[in-house]
Amino acid sequence: IVLTQSPVTLSLSPGERATLSCRASQPISTNFLAWYQQKPGQAPRLLIYGASSRATGIPDRFSGSGSGTDFSLTISSLEPEDFAVYYCQHHGYSPLNFGGGTKVEIK
Amino acid sequence: EVLLVESGGGLVQPGGSLRLSCAASGFSFSDSYMSWVRQSPRRGLEWVANMNQDGSFKDYVHSVKGRFTISRDNAKNSLFLQMSSLSVEDTAVYYCAIGGNYWASWGQGTLVTVSS
Repeated sequence: IVLTQSPVTLSLSPGERATLSCRASQPISTNFLAWYQQKPGQAPRLLIYGASSRATGIPDRFSGSGSGTDFSLTISSLEPEDFAVYYCQHHGYSPLNFGGGTKVEIK
Repeated sequence: EVLLVESGGGLVQPGGSLRLSCAASGFSFSDSYMSWVRQSPRRGLEWVANMNQDGSFKDYVHSVKGRFTISRDNAKNSLFLQMSSLSVEDTAVYYCAIGGNYWASWGQGTLVTVSS
């Protein structure tokens, strides 16, 4: 499964809503889709798994949705610490591929 | 506190070998599926290998099959990745992570550079 993320870069201001897209080359069974956040010099941090389940300690401004081949990550109101790169990843079966990432930058 | 500390990275020539280690603490290592994930500017984030709790099941990304071997020592709370026949394409930061199919905790990574 190939995952294509869009846009590549998203320029927004704090307080705005961010919507990131992840499109799969074929349907992902049982919505096995995860989202990660990565900041410079840090390892990725799990945000969402199973398309819509928030990982432990993740604020509720982060939400995931979608099914089949089209998935989204929404950040309802951007905080300064949310400016980072976001990756989707399918976790249904091997190989466990990642998308190319979306960078959310400050406008 | 969950802690994963990778070591063993460094500079190696093409065709060479390297063994990465991951020391785990703060959780029940012997009850946990474990994985290696790598990241490079060229290839992005890439899952490399995973292993179940007792080591009876291992899986690898196609590009490393036959060259890399994942293993673990539950008595020492340690995960390993033996890498051989390394190529420049294997240059990356290698992360140890908890989980089989998605990863809630990651180490800080160890850099492997394959270059002549």
